[in-house]
Amino acid sequence: GAVVSQHPSWVICKSGTSVKIECRSLDFQATTMFWYRQFPKQSLMLMATSNEGSKATYEQGVEKDKFLINHASLTLSTLTVTSAHPEDSSFYICSAGTGNKGYTFGSGTRLTVV
Amino acid sequence: KNQVEQSPQSLIILEGKNCTLQCNYTVSPFSNLRWYKQDTGRGPVSLTIMTFSENTKSNGRYTATLDADTKQSSLHITASQLSDSASYICVVSAEAGTALIFGKGTTLSVSS
Repeated sequence: GAVVSQHPSWVICKSGTSVKIECRSLDFQATTMFWYRQFPKQSLMLMATSNEGSKATYEQGVEKDKFLINHASLTLSTLTVTSAHPEDSSFYICSAGTGNKGYTFGSGTRLTVV
Repeated sequence: KNQVEQSPQSLIILEGKNCTLQCNYTVSPFSNLRWYKQDTGRGPVSLTIMTFSENTKSNGRYTATLDADTKQSSLHITASQLSDSASYICVVSAEAGTALIFGKGTTLSVSS
């Protein structure tokens, strides 16, 4: 159990366009979802925390208008990178969970902005 | 300040050998400690999770230990295989269901 599906697994987009990444909990309801980014050989860095039905909480230094997070249901959260630039190229990972079940990570999305 | 430190940063071993990875943390209040395996370009996959009262947890060839008094954990891999080559991340949860503090990981390379 506790499977998190993340799509797409990789995406290449042109500079200035927007990209949406989906994170779904397949067999459980996730009251809380987290979005991370990871640069090569670096640890995961938390970007934001989203709770179903409320606004996401962004970590310091993360632009909320650039990284739009929507957690409209207990099984789906989306991260939209708006007006993407090459410096946004990174590995984005979501995790989902509830307080007593812990956390499960998605398989990640490799974003390349050209 | 809540921190998780892992050592070594990287490790190379021969196939079939055992190895032990270390994790020291300064996280309070402590909820649980997890070890994850992350293959290159993939999301982390949970290996073990331990709460304050648990000091050993096994998952196949992986055995994690926890000393809550000294705030240290180790991950022991037995009879390593080429597929064990990955980054191993120690993650400590501070307070139930909230903040996760990540270590920087240990990159393990298993060679034949």
